[in-house]
Amino acid sequence: AQTVTQSQPEMSVQEAETVTLSCTYDTSENNYYLFWYKQPPSRQMILVIRQEAYKQQNATENRFSVNFQKAAKSFSLKISDSQLGDTAMYFCAFIGHDMRFGAGTRLTVKP
Amino acid sequence: NAGVTQTPKFRILKIGQSMTLQCTQDMNHNYMYWYRQDPGMGLKLIYYSVGAGITDKGEVPNGYNVSRSTTEDFPLRLELAAPSQTSVYFCASTNLDTRIEAFFGQGTRLTVV
Repeated sequence: AQTVTQSQPEMSVQEAETVTLSCTYDTSENNYYLFWYKQPPSRQMILVIRQEAYKQQNATENRFSVNFQKAAKSFSLKISDSQLGDTAMYFCAFIGHDMRFGAGTRLTVKP
Repeated sequence: NAGVTQTPKFRILKIGQSMTLQCTQDMNHNYMYWYRQDPGMGLKLIYYSVGAGITDKGEVPNGYNVSRSTTEDFPLRLELAAPSQTSVYFCASTNLDTRIEAFFGQGTRLTVV
C-alpha cells in the first residue's frame, strides 16, 4: 500500500515571504496523481495544486508551485508571497488505486 | 450540481449504538472514499469503492462497514459505536478516468459518549 509522509508538523512564515512544505511518498504504482489540499478551520478541503506523475514539468498555480522529483518520490509545495489567508493545514495526497493523505503541516503566516 | 453531500453534519451517539453516515454524489464519479480525521491529524482511509458493487478496506476499517449499491451512494455504517470512533468523517469522490480532483463532503462530526 502507498504511504504519504509529511515531516513538518508545523511551520510559520512572515507575510510576503516564501515557504516550502515537504512531502514524500512510497508506491509501486506507475500511474498516479499527487495533490496538495488546504484545510482552513472551516474543515473544507480546498485543492491547491495537482501533478500528474507522467508529466515531468512541475505544476504551477499562481503563487503555488511544486517540485516533483519522481525518482526520489518527493513532492514539495512552494508558496511565494505568502498571504495571511494562506494560514491553514496543508495535506499532501496521493491518488493511485486508492487515495492516501499525509499527516498534514500546520502553516501560520505572520503579519 | 450539489457535488458531494454528507448527512448528518453532527451526531452524538451512545456507546454501543449504531448509525449510518450517508454520502451522495451527483458527478457520476466511479471512485468514492470514506475518511476519518482526528483532531490535528490527517485523513485516514476507512473504506473505498471503485464502482457500484465493489468495495475495499483502507487503513482503518475495523468497526465500520460500507456498501455501494449505486454509483451515487456510498453509506458508512458504524456498528456498536465506541469512544475511539469519535472523529470527523469525510466522504470524497473522484473520476476514474481523469482523477483530476477529489471532491469532498462537508464532513460529519461524530461524538460517542
